[in-house]
Amino acid sequence: DIQMTQSPSSLSASVGDRVTITCQASQDISNYLNWYQQKPGKAPKLLIYDASNLETGVPSRFSGSGSGTDFTFTISSLQPEDIATYYCQQYDNLLLFTFGPGTKVDIK
Amino acid sequence: QVQLVQSGAEVKKPGASVKVSCKASGYTFTSYYMHWVRQAPGQGLEWMGIINPSGGSTSYAQKFQGRVTMTRDTSTSTVYMELSSLRSEDTAVYYCAREPSGGGVPGGGMDVWGQGTTVTVSS
Repeated sequence: DIQMTQSPSSLSASVGDRVTITCQASQDISNYLNWYQQKPGKAPKLLIYDASNLETGVPSRFSGSGSGTDFTFTISSLQPEDIATYYCQQYDNLLLFTFGPGTKVDIK
Repeated sequence: QVQLVQSGAEVKKPGASVKVSCKASGYTFTSYYMHWVRQAPGQGLEWMGIINPSGGSTSYAQKFQGRVTMTRDTSTSTVYMELSSLRSEDTAVYYCAREPSGGGVPGGGMDVWGQGTTVTVSS
């Protein structure tokens, strides 16, 4: 099975800061990588699909990049409503899917 | 509008089974795969499996092989997830989530989620 690691596990940043989260796959997954935001008590929300495509309706301050095994998720200017846990998720051609462990983002 | 509506909370004893439903509306049911994802209290997201509502084919995470069954009813646009031999570690919120089917394979991410169903396993 493909394993996913995320770093950091948590971070605190100020409003307006640039925030970067990394996700690493245990083997090449091409661009089969999605990013989700989850707020407490809510279902996850898709932000980025196929590594770098912004889901419709998602603010442009969110972005993603990478391919192969190394991926990056960026919030260009952190807003108070961005406080949440962020998860990467990979999928392979065997129809097996895995979530990363998550990164909790707080306001400093 | 597009929505996935899940069945209500369940309380089960260890060793029992639970069956959670997810009713889809507002889109073509057979054009989207359906995932099941769970989240134990204070923990991260855990993928359980996927079903293709078009043909009923499934793929399960190895961890749940032999204990989970996913089915669908195209007449009611509903998918079901049954988990057997429940233990306390299965206490979690269970979500269904759809993913577009592009060319017969899932792609584009889990774009619509159900509201979640809390399953509590306790003696």
